[in-house]
Amino acid sequence: GAVVSQHPSRVICKSGTSVKIECRSLDFQATTMFWYRQFPKQSLMLMATSNEGSKATYEQGVEKDKFLINHASLTLSTLTVTSAHPEDSSFYICSARDPSSGGGAKNIQYFGAGTRLSVL
Amino acid sequence: GEDVEQSLFLSVREGDSSVINCTYTDSSSTYLYWYKQEPGAGLQLLTYIFSNMDMKQDQRLTVLLNKKDKHLSLRIADTQTGDSAIYFCAESFPNQAGTALIFGKGTTLSVSS
Repeated sequence: GAVVSQHPSRVICKSGTSVKIECRSLDFQATTMFWYRQFPKQSLMLMATSNEGSKATYEQGVEKDKFLINHASLTLSTLTVTSAHPEDSSFYICSARDPSSGGGAKNIQYFGAGTRLSVL
Repeated sequence: GEDVEQSLFLSVREGDSSVINCTYTDSSSTYLYWYKQEPGAGLQLLTYIFSNMDMKQDQRLTVLLNKKDKHLSLRIADTQTGDSAIYFCAESFPNQAGTALIFGKGTTLSVSS
């Protein structure tokens, strides 16, 4: 099946610094990628939808200037957490939709392994 | 708004069948999904079902859909210890960006030998 790679898997940073997380589709071209946030023992919360070559669409309540998303190519989307604070500590997961394997109406999304962000 | 509900925990013995239940609110969802998450990992798509189907079987997995009651279930036959994980039910819904997924909180399946 389709493979999505997410890096880094874990990052620890100081408060006030910025952190970039990469999401790559390895064997398919993903025109649409998604970024989720997951709190312990909670569901995944959609943060934003990233479309290649255009601005990301953010869900209500998600700060655009805080969580910068760039989808510069068909295989790479990045999420930058700017001026990170301890409350940004969480598990961030990306997914990518593969149009060739049912990604359209079926909305099949393939997920990365996630990034555990800890802000000290 | 859209909502997906699941029971939080299920404990079974190895070799038994597991049934994980889910209810959803958006009757216009065309596809419903089951994902598996192992500790510290991302989500793995297990199976999905089109809304005009009642049942879908794939090896040890059987999905039942009751569209009238908006109820979805996942049955795992001959449950193994390797099936221990969190199982998420999800439905597809339209948002301003196109189509997105909304997930339940996940059911933690614990399999004892």
